[in-house]
Amino acid sequence: GEDVEQSLFLSVREGDSSVINCTYTDSSSTYLYWYKQEPGAGLQLLTYIFSNMDMKQDQRLTVLLNKKDKHLSLRIADTQTGDSAIYFCAERAGGYQKVTFGTGTKLQVIP
Amino acid sequence: AAGVIQSPRHLIKEKRETATLKCYPIPRHDTVYWYQQGPGQDPQFLISFYEKMQSDKGSIPDRFSAQQFSDYHSELNMSSLELGDSALYFCASSRTNSYSGTGVSTEAFFGQGTRLTVV
Repeated sequence: GEDVEQSLFLSVREGDSSVINCTYTDSSSTYLYWYKQEPGAGLQLLTYIFSNMDMKQDQRLTVLLNKKDKHLSLRIADTQTGDSAIYFCAERAGGYQKVTFGTGTKLQVIP
Repeated sequence: AAGVIQSPRHLIKEKRETATLKCYPIPRHDTVYWYQQGPGQDPQFLISFYEKMQSDKGSIPDRFSAQQFSDYHSELNMSSLELGDSALYFCASSRTNSYSGTGVSTEAFFGQGTRLTVV
């Protein structure tokens, strides 16, 4: 199967950390992505991680991967109001395989 | 750096009309993917092409067709448009490196999308 699941909504206060979680079922996933989508806008690739890694840090973003549990998380440190958006987790087996998206998590940042 | 280019950015069509969406992948990318994102939905995979051949097919209606040309750009043709076809259509591209035999490929990059409104 290729299901990717996320919680639908997350609300945090400005300055706090946000953690968005994702679970997937496809054990052949090679690439795991986090995309950000602002209202009416396109998909912005935030970061990605290979399945042979368990952590990747990029400035305020930290991605954790638990391959055994097929669980991926995105932590945003010092969350800002500009981080308010929908965050999609996605996976891809590699080669010319398609990207499969999760349901998206709407992050609301309260000033 | 060059990104995935989609045209047009916005398109308004009437029911039963035909629309053609275009996608220009990142240079040297050989694989393109089409996605449809309805209001409040996650992007749904429609179809993909690798080296000008269809490589995968998702939930693409029979009224839609697509192809990838020799210059690797792709077009999504949509006929007999329905109100429910109103959505954001994304194209993505990636490079599948088969020369080394490792099947290593780069991440998929998405274009800004074409917003189709059917009235």
